Amino acid sequence: RKEVEQDPGPFNVPEGATVAFNCTYSNSASQSFFWYRQDCRKEPKLLMSVYSSGNEDGRFTAQLNRASQYISLLIRDSKLSDSATYLCVVNIRRGADGLTFGKGTHLIIQP
Amino acid sequence: DVKVTQSSRYLVKRTGEKVFLECVQDMDHENMFWYRQDPGLGLRLIYFSYDVKMKEKGDIPEGYSVSREKKERFSLILESASTNQTSMYLCASSPYRGDANTGELFFGEGSRLTVL
Repeated sequence: RKEVEQDPGPFNVPEGATVAFNCTYSNSASQSFFWYRQDCRKEPKLLMSVYSSGNEDGRFTAQLNRASQYISLLIRDSKLSDSATYLCVVNIRRGADGLTFGKGTHLIIQP
Repeated sequence: DVKVTQSSRYLVKRTGEKVFLECVQDMDHENMFWYRQDPGLGLRLIYFSYDVKMKEKGDIPEGYSVSREKKERFSLILESASTNQTSMYLCASSPYRGDANTGELFFGEGSRLTVL
């Protein structure tokens, strides 16, 4: 059974703070990993891919731990506009039909 | 910019009605997908297509069918709508095939279907 687990939150975080959340996956053969962002009543959009060596995009850092089968997303200096639901996505095979979405972590940045 | 357009944002149908959800993408993508998104369940893949006239079942195909007569258009069909098909339906496309790093799906804005 393919499974991607996330803490649904909500995470209430003051503006300017650093926030991190994790995602665990059950299939050790998973091949690629991503974070998507979904604003309220909007469609999901790719935020960033997650590479084995870790990667950074501005205030966002994603890391992968294959041994423990988890992915993390760190947001530094959080902005009000970061409020959204963050979806962890794991691909269990080569084609895009293998993408498995977590149920999302709801983040609320408070002024 | 890639644009994926879903024909209806909101629909209300009655049990037993046939429902068509249309999706068109303008970037010549080979791959197209239909998902449904429900609170507490996340996104679940209904059907996908990697080529014209090709279709494959996803994780929850029961009660649905699809049609892909043209590359840019992928339709989801509910032959006889039921109340448990009340959901947000999301169409997506992607340009890659067979690439292990494929992860970028371009989603439409969604069609919220209510079946009474």
